[in-house]
Order: sequence, then C-alpha cells, then structure tokens
Amino acid sequence: AQSVAQPEDQVNVAEGNPLTVKCTYSVSGNPYLFWYVQYPNRGLQFLLKYITGDNLVKGSYGFEAEFNKSQTSFHLKKPSALVSDSALYFCAVRDDFYGGSQGNLIFGKGTKLSVKP
Amino acid sequence: KAGVTQTPRYLIKTRGQQVTLSCSPISGHRSVSWYQQTPGQGLQFLFEYFSETQRNKGNFPGRFSGRQFSNSRSEMNVSTLELGDSALYLCASSLTDYNEQFFGPGTRLTVL
Repeated sequence: AQSVAQPEDQVNVAEGNPLTVKCTYSVSGNPYLFWYVQYPNRGLQFLLKYITGDNLVKGSYGFEAEFNKSQTSFHLKKPSALVSDSALYFCAVRDDFYGGSQGNLIFGKGTKLSVKP
Repeated sequence: KAGVTQTPRYLIKTRGQQVTLSCSPISGHRSVSWYQQTPGQGLQFLFEYFSETQRNKGNFPGRFSGRQFSNSRSEMNVSTLELGDSALYLCASSLTDYNEQFFGPGTRLTVL
C-alpha cells in the first residue's frame, strides 16, 4: 500500500535562511509526487510535482524539490525563506502500480512552516 | 480560466440532519476528488470520480456518498450527521491521474 510521511510537524526558519521540509514515501510501483501549500482558511495550492525525468524539480514561488529514489524521499527546499512562506505544506503521492483507475492521491499529515523575520 | 468552486462555503447543521455539498471543477477537468480535513486526522481521501464513475473510495462509512454529473460537476452527501463530521471538505479536480489536482476553497461544515 502506498503511504507518505512528513516526519516534522513544524519547521522554524529565520527569514533569508534556506529551508527544507522533509517527505518520504512508500509505493509499489513508480511514484507520482506532489507538494501543496495551504494558507489559513484556504484550499490547497499546487507547488510542484515529480512524474519522471530530472530529479530536481522547480516549482512556484522559488520552491524546488529533489526526488531521491534510493532514499524514497522528495524533500521540499527553498534557498532563501520569506516570512510570507509561513504556511502548512503537504506532500502527496500517487502509486502508478495501480494504474489510473485504481490509485488515489495520499497526503502526508502536513508540516507547518514558520519563518521569522 | 475559472478555478474550482465549492458551494456553500460555510454550513451549520445539527446532528441527524443531512447535507449536500457541491463542487464545480475547472473546465475540461474530468476527474474530481473529495477530501475531509480535520486538525486531528489531516487530509483524508473520501472519493474520486472520473466521467461520472466512482473510481476510488476512502475508508468512510456509507453515510458519505457522492456523484458526478455529465458536466463533471460533483456533489457529496452526508446523511445522519454526527459531531465528528465537522470538518473542512475540499474538492479537487485534475485533467488526468498524472496531473496535479487543483483545489477549491472548501466547505466548512459545523455540526452542532
């Protein structure tokens, strides 16, 4: 069965410093991996995805993520954090083993990112 | 292009009542998924519809049901509401399984 883990409930970073939000996954086939961000009282916004190809994926708002197959990880990174990046971040995975008609998107529990001035 | 819309945005119901939530996907998107979000359980998958067919269903009781219409609009229904059903219900649409899902703003359901 597919699963995704975000080991940190909260990440605290000073503005201007690099940030990393961790995500590991477990699938039977090849993973489709996604990162989403949620601001208070809002729906989720798509940041970036990995389907195939280059392991380093660039997304919205200066975020990027690195797919590491051997470590089954897809950590979200940003070189220089902004106070406005403070939000809840979700990693999600869909397992292609089940094919398009069976696998659904599984979300991690979320990591609260707090960026202080 | 208009985003995913959900109506109503807020609902207050009492235990035992029934509720219907509506979702209009992005034009051209045929896949619609529903999620329940609570502080304790996080984001939990409810169901996924594609071309009017339910493809996947999460681990929720039969009180939770849904459907999708020919224009891809979707509704979910919760019958015999319980206090624990209080949550933010999110709808998301996508072109295919390989594409990202676009989320609506959610419907905040409060059960008293």
